[in-house]
Amino acid sequence: EPEVTQTPSHQVTQMGQEVILRCVPISNHLYFYWYRQILGQKVEFLVSFYNNEISEKSEIFDDQFSVERPDGSNFTLKIRSTKLEDSAMYFCASENLQWRDTQYFGPGTRLTVL
Amino acid sequence: DQQVKQNSPSLSVQEGRISILNCDYTNSMFDYFLWYKKYPAEGPTFLISISSIKDKNEDGRFTVFLNKSAKHLSLHIVPSQPGDSAVYFCAAQRRGIGPYKLSFGAGTTVTVRA
Repeated sequence: EPEVTQTPSHQVTQMGQEVILRCVPISNHLYFYWYRQILGQKVEFLVSFYNNEISEKSEIFDDQFSVERPDGSNFTLKIRSTKLEDSAMYFCASENLQWRDTQYFGPGTRLTVL
Repeated sequence: DQQVKQNSPSLSVQEGRISILNCDYTNSMFDYFLWYKKYPAEGPTFLISISSIKDKNEDGRFTVFLNKSAKHLSLHIVPSQPGDSAVYFCAAQRRGIGPYKLSFGAGTTVTVRA
């Protein structure tokens, strides 16, 4: 069964450093999403992406964040200058354009900012 | 974002008995509702969904009920099994053309006792 994959599984970085979180969505999916979950809190929407454009972004997704689909398979989330409060699990999700049954989530990347 | 609420943080149930998880929402624009299950160190996994035009959807041991007038939905698991022990998230979506974000509840941790 096709799966969404994410790398790395755990990323530790120093405050102020740039990080890139990588995702490989399910191959025939065309809607892509990033969510995050700070420890003990809700899963929160960050951004949705379709046709090489951001469709919607939350208040969390400020100028420090960007997303890119650099090739036909990868979908990345970049944080330019990490803050302590960016420490969270980051989940990538993808969705089929035609069969809108659900969003399929990857296993997540745990980001720890020191 | 308090649009989706799960007021019970935890639920403990005997194996073989029914588990009932509740969820309330405030946004009347939501027209699609989903339940996800999450194990530690994994991403949310889709369980079952319901459209706002229905009041019940059943899939094996899992049944979701929707009461639109009360803005309330519930997930019934019958019979509960030890493998059902996980965190269950209620999520809601406003559907249409293009990608639409999921708004999540805080989750209910279910423990099934042998």
